[in-house]
Amino acid sequence: NAGVMQNPRHLVRRRGQEARLRCSPMKGHSHVYWYRQLPEEGLKFMVYLQKENIIDESGMPKERFSAEFPKEGPSILRIQQVVRGDSAAYFCASSPSVRGVDEQYFGPGTRLTVT
Amino acid sequence: LAKTTQPISMDSYEGQEVNITCSHNNIATNDYITWYQQFPSQGPRFIIQGYKTKVTNEVASLFIPADRKSSTLSLPRVSLSDTAVYYCLVRTAGNKLTFGGGTRVLVKP
Repeated sequence: NAGVMQNPRHLVRRRGQEARLRCSPMKGHSHVYWYRQLPEEGLKFMVYLQKENIIDESGMPKERFSAEFPKEGPSILRIQQVVRGDSAAYFCASSPSVRGVDEQYFGPGTRLTVT
Repeated sequence: LAKTTQPISMDSYEGQEVNITCSHNNIATNDYITWYQQFPSQGPRFIIQGYKTKVTNEVASLFIPADRKSSTLSLPRVSLSDTAVYYCLVRTAGNKLTFGGGTRVLVKP
């Protein structure tokens, strides 16, 4: 059973471009979480999604950021008009159910660098 | 302001026991406490999860007092490969998923 997959692993964008980060959850998992980790800092919750639904996006910046988890295909975190402050590692995690703070399985992350 | 806090860093020596406490004074009533380990340039890895009292698995123990406002991760007989950052994860009473700031554990030979 493959783990959580994220791609690309590294992404370089110039200021003003768009960044699209993909996450394929573990097989059988229908819950996806996105977290951001700034350099030398801890993990910050961004958004929690189930298939075709955003359950909690309280950690998402109000502008430029969006997320989706379609019925088919990976979850996508999209950052429009990137700025240098968006440079960070973005981690996706999946879980099989929403039993409270369920055991989440993390992907290897996408490291976004904005030049 | 409710916060989930951990010590920033902790040094230890091989073979010693390491105990890391996370304070989560605004934890949701019916939710678990989970601990993760993170190595540089990798995603967090699940260590242990518990709701109350004590939980033990092959790598760690988790102690949770009755009021559940804190939890202590115990790593027995650490080795050099346990050098990592350790995070607690809880859901607050406001239904927010919150990681602690992380504790950087350095195991020395």
